[in-house]
Amino acid sequence: NAGVTQTPKFQVLKTGQSMTLQCAQDMNHEYMSWYRQDPGMGLRLIHYSVGAGITDQGEVPNGYNVSRSTTEDFPLRLLSAAPSQTSVYFCASSPLRDRVNEQFFGPGTRLTVL
Amino acid sequence: LAKTTQPISMDSYEGQEVNITCSHNNIATNDYITWYQQFPSQGPRFIIQGYKTKVTNEVASLFIPADRKSSTLSLPRVSLSDTAVYYCLVGPFSGTYKYIFGTGTRLKVLA
Repeated sequence: NAGVTQTPKFQVLKTGQSMTLQCAQDMNHEYMSWYRQDPGMGLRLIHYSVGAGITDQGEVPNGYNVSRSTTEDFPLRLLSAAPSQTSVYFCASSPLRDRVNEQFFGPGTRLTVL
Repeated sequence: LAKTTQPISMDSYEGQEVNITCSHNNIATNDYITWYQQFPSQGPRFIIQGYKTKVTNEVASLFIPADRKSSTLSLPRVSLSDTAVYYCLVGPFSGTYKYIFGTGTRLKVLA
């Protein structure tokens, strides 16, 4: 199993550009989530999903869109990048039964917005 | 959503036992307590989870008093490789799934 994979690893954008961060998992987990982590700070939840076709907002959803068309994929879209979105983005997944609180995290995408 | 409070940082020496306490005064009846470890430039990694009393695995122990308003992560005989940030989360085993990470505790293990 590859676990949770994220692409790209690094990305530089100009203000106003849009892009999609990709996240995929091969563990058949129902729950997937996106977090951002600013330098020296904790993780903040952006959006999450409990299954295909179901998404909900986290703590800091503004400026981001998500969709969940399959169990495996949970892309995060930046609509119009701003310097305040410079951060490291982590995707995570977990089963909805049994060990639901045990989230598996991807390696992260380091995003810089100029 | 239960909010957690942890010490910002701790120092320890190799071979010592480290205890990191997390306060969660408004924990709900169906909330579990979960701890994660994060190394620099990596995503967090699940360490341990519990509901009450004591849980132990190959990595750590988790102590939860009867009122569940706090919990203590215990790392036995730490080594330099245990230097990391440790996060405490409380969240429902089933329900909203809106998990909130706090700022975590930066543990530095010294030689």
